Amino acid sequence: QVQLQESGPGLVKPSQTLSLTCTVSGGSISSGDYYWSWIRQPPGKGLEWIGYIYYSGSTYYNPSLKSRVTISVDTSKNQFSLKLSSVTAADTAVYYCARGEYLEYFDLWGRGTLVTVSS
Amino acid sequence: QSALTQPRSVSGSPGQSVTISCTGTSSDVGGYNYVSWYQQHPGKAPKLMIYDVSKRPSGVPDRFSGSKSGNTASLTISGLQAEDEADYYCCSYAGSYTFEVFGGGTKLTVL
Repeated sequence: QVQLQESGPGLVKPSQTLSLTCTVSGGSISSGDYYWSWIRQPPGKGLEWIGYIYYSGSTYYNPSLKSRVTISVDTSKNQFSLKLSSVTAADTAVYYCARGEYLEYFDLWGRGTLVTVSS
Repeated sequence: QSALTQPRSVSGSPGQSVTISCTGTSSDVGGYNYVSWYQQHPGKAPKLMIYDVSKRPSGVPDRFSGSKSGNTASLTISGLQAEDEADYYCCSYAGSYTFEVFGGGTKLTVL
């Protein structure tokens, strides 16, 4: 079955760029059936949608994060990635990658990875 | 502050029914039939329970149902079981500028 797995540094310094990768196994990003998302959850708080990408490279971002976010896809590696620049402590969160139908829902999630922003 | 408003907590006894509300505006919940609900147990990833307001993915018990009236969507869980104790989040499409917005989450306690 399809699985998603996040990877990347667990600690990032303030003002630096957070970089995460989501590896998709058991299915192809290039199938075109789904959109691929990043969603985050600060400790003890709710979920926040960051953005999604289609295999073609089309991207859609949360307007509150748009100036700092870049989501990209590497179909040859069956991966998609998140970059969040100029991070602060407020960006400390569990970051999830997820699969979903455009506009409708997120039906498959990775386990999540905690990223802490601290010097 | 979250874009969608949910009660912080609800509770019910085993076998009872509970309803969790999710209030938005005509720009999100009221404007589209793209409301979804997620269950999250502590330390786990969210799980899709309801999509497109009232559809259940394969494998989700029919004890879980969704509905919408105006700008408020609702998740009803009937025949409460201990394993239903979790946090629940609603999510709605909010147009081609904002795209996706979540509620703040509701903690369900099974007494």
